[in-house]
Amino acid sequence: GAVVSQHPSRVICKSGTSVKIECRSLDFQATTMFWYRQFPKKSLMLMATSNEGSKATYEQGVEKDKFLINHASLTLSTLTVTSAHPEDSSFYICSASLGGWKSDTQYFGPGTRLTVL
Amino acid sequence: AQKITQTQPGMFVQEKEAVTLDCTYDTSDQSYGLFWYKQPSSGEMIFLIYQGSYDEQNATEGRYSLNFQKARKSANLVISASQLGDSAMYFCAITAGGTSYGKLTFGQGTILTVHP
Repeated sequence: GAVVSQHPSRVICKSGTSVKIECRSLDFQATTMFWYRQFPKKSLMLMATSNEGSKATYEQGVEKDKFLINHASLTLSTLTVTSAHPEDSSFYICSASLGGWKSDTQYFGPGTRLTVL
Repeated sequence: AQKITQTQPGMFVQEKEAVTLDCTYDTSDQSYGLFWYKQPSSGEMIFLIYQGSYDEQNATEGRYSLNFQKARKSANLVISASQLGDSAMYFCAITAGGTSYGKLTFGQGTILTVHP
């Protein structure tokens, strides 16, 4: 299967600071990347869909000014949590697919655990 | 909108035995895809198996097979010859058309514990 990396794997930050999480497809070009959030022992909730060269599409209820997404190249998407607060503490996972077609398998990164103090 | 229901919060199985994890889905689309992912305690999501709505045969990948019953809208995962390393959370997911094109909707997950 395809390999997707995420960096950092863990981050602890103070309230009010911004945190950037990188998602890279290592052995394929990903036209579409997805960002998910997961609370402990819960399911994954889609936050936004990121397409290379265009603005991200956010799911209902997700603040686009708080969760900035940039998909600058076919192998890199970044999620920036701006002015982070304790309620933003969560597990963030990205995935990448070749074309965003519904038959395309999404390959996931290892996730980033964010803790906001 | 799509919906996935996994009714088993937790399942237990003896090593080397087979286990079935249930998944039912709801969608108004005629064309859709069904996926199963495994999430160990490390957190990574591992793709296991895919079934397309028009696939006539049930998908199989090694010890994993998908029991696809379209009329019942079920897509159960069967793991044969369970191993200790199979202990993890398992998610069923669906993608469909319309505005949800390419997006995955996940079920609540089932925690599988394999006993030696």
